[in-house]
Amino acid sequence: DVKVTQSSRYLVKRTGEKVFLECVQDMDHENMFWYRQDPGLGLRLIYFSYDVKMKEKGDIPEGYSVSREKKERFSLILESASTNQTSMYLCASSFDAGTSYEQYFGPGTRLTVT
Amino acid sequence: SQKIEQNSEALNIQEGKTATLTCNYTNYSPAYLQWYRQDPGRGPVFLLLIRENEKEKRKERLKVTFDTTLKQSLFHITASQPADSATYLCALEGSNYQLIWGAGTKLIIKP
Repeated sequence: DVKVTQSSRYLVKRTGEKVFLECVQDMDHENMFWYRQDPGLGLRLIYFSYDVKMKEKGDIPEGYSVSREKKERFSLILESASTNQTSMYLCASSFDAGTSYEQYFGPGTRLTVT
Repeated sequence: SQKIEQNSEALNIQEGKTATLTCNYTNYSPAYLQWYRQDPGRGPVFLLLIRENEKEKRKERLKVTFDTTLKQSLFHITASQPADSATYLCALEGSNYQLIWGAGTKLIIKP
């Protein structure tokens, strides 16, 4: 079974802190994604990566950065956390294939910034 | 811009009946569409993918239709069970392996 793990299920941080969220997948997927999910808004893409050291901005990259030094690991960094970044953060991965585009998700990290 | 709409109101269905969820989209012609299930506090789980040249796809008690003229997909669960209660998300093909997501519809199956 595909497994995507995230470093924390719940996280509480203070305004201005630097926050690291880590995601690891064990299926040798090329593509990895970071989303945030807020009530009524659906999943919004923050960043994605289609290869090691490659990254592309999604719809809402402001206030975030990412790192992908190894194929299996994709990190999301909040440089200076703010209260409007309180949200559920979901990591996903997928194959770089012509017939299969489904994304596999981790359990999510619920981040609260106070 | 591309827009996906799912019914934001929860859908209440009696156990044993067929539940039908709707996904409408505008300003777009995706090559495929996906449906996911999401339980509270968990990540979405992939259920089905249907391509633009497929009108219908089935998997056990699930059926998905894709009408590219109406720009609509319907997701059916037959013989619904309380365990089917969850939020169901539709997602359309985007660029570079990205998906464009609907906000989801909460389905409640009452015993």
